[in-house]
Amino acid sequence: QSVLTQPPSASGTPGQRVTVSCSGSSSNIGRDNVYWYQQLPGTVPKLLIYNNDQRPSGVPDRFSGSKSGTSASLAISGLRSEDEADYYCAAWDDSLSGYLFGTGTKVTVL
Amino acid sequence: EVQLAESGGGLVQPGGSLTLSCQGSGFSVSSDWMHWVRQTPGKGLVWVSRIAPDGKTNHADSVKGRFTISRDNAKDTLYLQMNSLRVEDTAVYYCSRDTFGRHDQWGQGTLVTVSS
Repeated sequence: QSVLTQPPSASGTPGQRVTVSCSGSSSNIGRDNVYWYQQLPGTVPKLLIYNNDQRPSGVPDRFSGSKSGTSASLAISGLRSEDEADYYCAAWDDSLSGYLFGTGTKVTVL
Repeated sequence: EVQLAESGGGLVQPGGSLTLSCQGSGFSVSSDWMHWVRQTPGKGLVWVSRIAPDGKTNHADSVKGRFTISRDNAKDTLYLQMNSLRVEDTAVYYCSRDTFGRHDQWGQGTLVTVSS
């Protein structure tokens, strides 16, 4: 499939662990690295995870990424109110010769 | 400090044309992969185009044949020439720098509205 599918929403209370899934195919996640972007309300996207599980400097270690086969996951542990945002996975798709963003997941802190 | 600044957005009628610019500072636009990504207000991110350091380009199927990505190395500026614009092209357009596959720098975006 030439789309990266994410659940529309996820939620948790402060301190909880929340996971966001990203399902792709052999032409994207199955062959290439996965990236995660965080978009806080009213702001531009920010790189959160690169190369499946690496954090750029400045990103708290509460955020972690993993990949298995044609799926990937983002985990947020110790959820905080400032984590309330939209999260997008992304990967290059060899069949499309194009970059794919996931459908996006809105994380709400209850 | 690495920064990207888009300009050129505005209101255009269906079938019209518009050229977006993205001025880079603190790095060389010519030495990195550069992308255009758009976002309809309230919706998700959609990749539009990319250009490699060697000038090779890729475009999303939805804009292929209508949009062209290019750059002026001397001006450190990235462009997106948009022709035959459609209502569904209405979005905020971001330029981004791609470092080894990761979009690590984004501009603030410029709004393109296609409407009669």
